[in-house]
Amino acid sequence: GAVVSQHPSRVICKSGTSVKIECRSLDFQATTMFWYRQFPKQSLMLMATSNEGSKATYEQGVEKDKFLINHASLTLSTLTVTSAHPEDSSFYICSARGQPTIRDFFGQGTRLTVV
Amino acid sequence: GENVEQHPSTLSVQEGDSAVIKCTYSDSASNYFPWYKQELGKRPQLIIDIRSNVGEKKDQRIAVTLNKTAKHFSLHITETQPEDSAVYFCAASKGPGNQFYFGTGTSLTVIP
Repeated sequence: GAVVSQHPSRVICKSGTSVKIECRSLDFQATTMFWYRQFPKQSLMLMATSNEGSKATYEQGVEKDKFLINHASLTLSTLTVTSAHPEDSSFYICSARGQPTIRDFFGQGTRLTVV
Repeated sequence: GENVEQHPSTLSVQEGDSAVIKCTYSDSASNYFPWYKQELGKRPQLIIDIRSNVGEKKDQRIAVTLNKTAKHFSLHITETQPEDSAVYFCAASKGPGNQFYFGTGTSLTVIP
């Protein structure tokens, strides 16, 4: 299957700081990338859908000014958690989709801990 | 929007037995149904998928069945092995350009 690389895998930051997470498709062009949040022992919750060259579409209840998403190229999307608070601590995971396939391939996830 | 329900939430089987996980969906327009396996702290891995134009698909010990009329699909794992232990998620989608709606997950434990 296709390879999606997500970095960092773990990050600890102080309250009030910002954290950037990168998601890269290594061997295909990802026209669409998805960002999810996953709480322990729970399912994947879609935060936003990112299409290359256009603004991300956020799901209801997700603050777009807090979770900044940029999809500047066909191989890279970034999620920036701004002014992080302890309640933002979670497992964030991206997936990438290339055309014409509908199959989504996931990054390895980022464990964010805000202290 | 789409609503995907998944059962059971936990499942324990003896090594060598079969495991079945079931999902239902609400939107009849959904036409693509993947299954993902996620080990603790790792990424979900696509293990099998099915499109609405077929009723069954098999890949070695793994099979998926789809009943479009009843709007449900199932994952079947035969001859289970300890390494099959993981959380399994089903999902439904209306095709290219559309998001996935995930089930709530099933934690499978295969007892040696």
